[in-house]
Amino acid sequence: QVQLQQWGAGLLKPSETLSLTCAVYGGSFSDHYWSWIRQSPGKGLEWIGEINASGSTNYNPSLRSRVTMSVDTSKNQFSLRLTSVAAADTAVYYCATASSNHDILTGYYRDYLDPWGQGTLVTVSS
Amino acid sequence: QSVLTQPPSVSGAPGQRVTISCTGSSSNIGAGYDVHWYQQFPGTAPKLLVFRNSNRPSGVPDRFSGSKSGTSASLAITGLQADDEADYYCQSYDNSLSGSVFGGGTKLTVL
Repeated sequence: QVQLQQWGAGLLKPSETLSLTCAVYGGSFSDHYWSWIRQSPGKGLEWIGEINASGSTNYNPSLRSRVTMSVDTSKNQFSLRLTSVAAADTAVYYCATASSNHDILTGYYRDYLDPWGQGTLVTVSS
Repeated sequence: QSVLTQPPSVSGAPGQRVTISCTGSSSNIGAGYDVHWYQQFPGTAPKLLVFRNSNRPSGVPDRFSGSKSGTSASLAITGLQADDEADYYCQSYDNSLSGSVFGGGTKLTVL
């Protein structure tokens, strides 16, 4: 039974760098992709990107220029960095386990997300 | 503006049946990718409710069921209970984004 525990700074000033880490307990760290999703106040969910244990990443094109994800396999942890934050980046950030699926045209891709971390509210304010 | 379209709200009386729709396009649901549904209570993380269109994780009551057809999917909840009151989100893969896309969420109110 995989469980995720996340942490990171909750209050940032504009132009600073958001940094969050998610620890994976149980299960096999190398068997999955690990995702980050965010939810702006009162709004819906936005996929930020994903990474696997080998460090292979996929990012949302809308955030790609500011996002970096990394893994530490010795600690079963993965991290998110988002540079040059602004008020629009204020959101609850979640880490989640991504299951993989496959079809002939797409190859391997990620589908459902389960489980999720508890979420971290990140507020960007001067 | 979310890639997948859901109604902002639905409501029903206890014991009734409600459905929540999720409409996509040819780059996600219409391309054949599966749809997944999540339930979210205020202040908590989303929880997987239905995966790969119609499968329920262990522990999810069979009052919750999912279906998919063409470029749309639906979540049905039968025998509505007060503690079903929550936000519900659909999710799929999008091959133009090469990643996950979500619906804007539907708030279920139990009258």
